[in-house]
Amino acid sequence: DGGITQSPKYLFRKEGQNVTLSCEQNLNHDAMYWYRQDPGQGLRLIYYSQIVNDFQKGDIAEGYSVSREKKESFPLTVTSAQKNPTAFYLCASSRGGGAHSYEQYFGPGTRLTVT
Amino acid sequence: QKEVEQNSGPLSVPEGAIASLNCTYSDRGSQSFFWYRQYSGKSPELIMSIYSNGDKEDGRFTAQLNKASQYVSLLIRDSQPSDSATYLCAVRSGGSYIPTFGRGTSLIVHP
Repeated sequence: DGGITQSPKYLFRKEGQNVTLSCEQNLNHDAMYWYRQDPGQGLRLIYYSQIVNDFQKGDIAEGYSVSREKKESFPLTVTSAQKNPTAFYLCASSRGGGAHSYEQYFGPGTRLTVT
Repeated sequence: QKEVEQNSGPLSVPEGAIASLNCTYSDRGSQSFFWYRQYSGKSPELIMSIYSNGDKEDGRFTAQLNKASQYVSLLIRDSQPSDSATYLCAVRSGGSYIPTFGRGTSLIVHP
């Protein structure tokens, strides 16, 4: 089955620790994205990548970092510099071109709690 | 600033009724329009995409796009309690491949 996997589903960390969220897709999609969702809020874009070894900051990149070394993988690191890291983190992917190339498909999400 | 507006709801409809969800957007250059369903605690799931004016039907769902009035709507016919969820509207402008998401409308279908 093609899809997007995120791990872990739940993650608990102490303040001051960096944490890396995993995102893997086997849809052969070129573009990948990271969003953050807080209660009652819309999706906010953290980082996105159109191709391997290239990525751009989204609207709320401060305190986060990413890498895109493989087409299938787009891990997100939440650093200690992120002031309010507790949130629901969503990874998505889309095709790079062709019909329906802008449709985004989401992974199941990782719920991060920092205390 | 590109904006996508949705009434937060909740929109409450009886089982079997038609649920109508609306979304307005600010950028006249918008080209792609998406509806996602998000159950509580879960991730968004794409249910419809529409690219040209008019109606697009898929099963019990119909997306309606009116670019002149800058709105897109989602109709759910024969609503079921399992349709109870938050529905997110997303709009992509020309020149960008990243959509802007609305905050979503909560739909409650009561038996």
